[in-house]
Amino acid sequence: ETGVTQTPRHLVMGMTNKKSLKCEQHLGHNAMYWYKQSAKKPLELMFVYSLEERVENNSVPSRFSPECPNSSHLFLHLHTLQPEDSALYLCASSLGQGYGNTIYFGEGSWLTVV
Amino acid sequence: AQTVTQSQPEMSVQEAETVTLSCTYDTSENNYYLFWYKQPPSRQMILVIRQEAYKQQNATENRFSVNFQKAAKSFSLKISDSQLGDTAMYFCAFVITGGGNKLTFGTGTQLKVEL
Repeated sequence: ETGVTQTPRHLVMGMTNKKSLKCEQHLGHNAMYWYKQSAKKPLELMFVYSLEERVENNSVPSRFSPECPNSSHLFLHLHTLQPEDSALYLCASSLGQGYGNTIYFGEGSWLTVV
Repeated sequence: AQTVTQSQPEMSVQEAETVTLSCTYDTSENNYYLFWYKQPPSRQMILVIRQEAYKQQNATENRFSVNFQKAAKSFSLKISDSQLGDTAMYFCAFVITGGGNKLTFGTGTQLKVEL
């Protein structure tokens, strides 16, 4: 059983839809991350939250909007996406945002934009 | 810029045999951590092993060990006594001091363990 849970596992949405990805961690961590995984490309860090404050926005388009209401939950709100946004979106968490702290990942949400 | 190169997109190994996955990285920093993550078909990234750059001794975790060559910026993963459950995509990654906890990943090596 994973300590980082993502829902939904699969999502198909049209380019004009609004949807959200949800992440919940049960590890007592206080830093959370969104990564994008596309075929044949390295994982790309999108956002970092530490103690519920966004500390990193890695030049992500505004059609992706993160939200961290508390240290256990992280959302990624999606609107007017493009087909090239189709990918696996991985949520992760760590105890502290200090370098070297082990990052634990969820199983990902497969997003298909049609 | 920090980069990670995994030059073997795919590898296969017979069950019970030993396989080595290669990884090279580029950074001008002296202090950093290196990681190998495993991504099975479930897609969850699982930490396999980690190495602190200031430690000369190579890290080991049961059947998994690394060969860390700091001067060559090389960080290979050796899997001994390969098992069918080792079939997965393996990613090499590192994080530098002062860079928060932002991992830089390679493109991965798909390992298939065969009977």
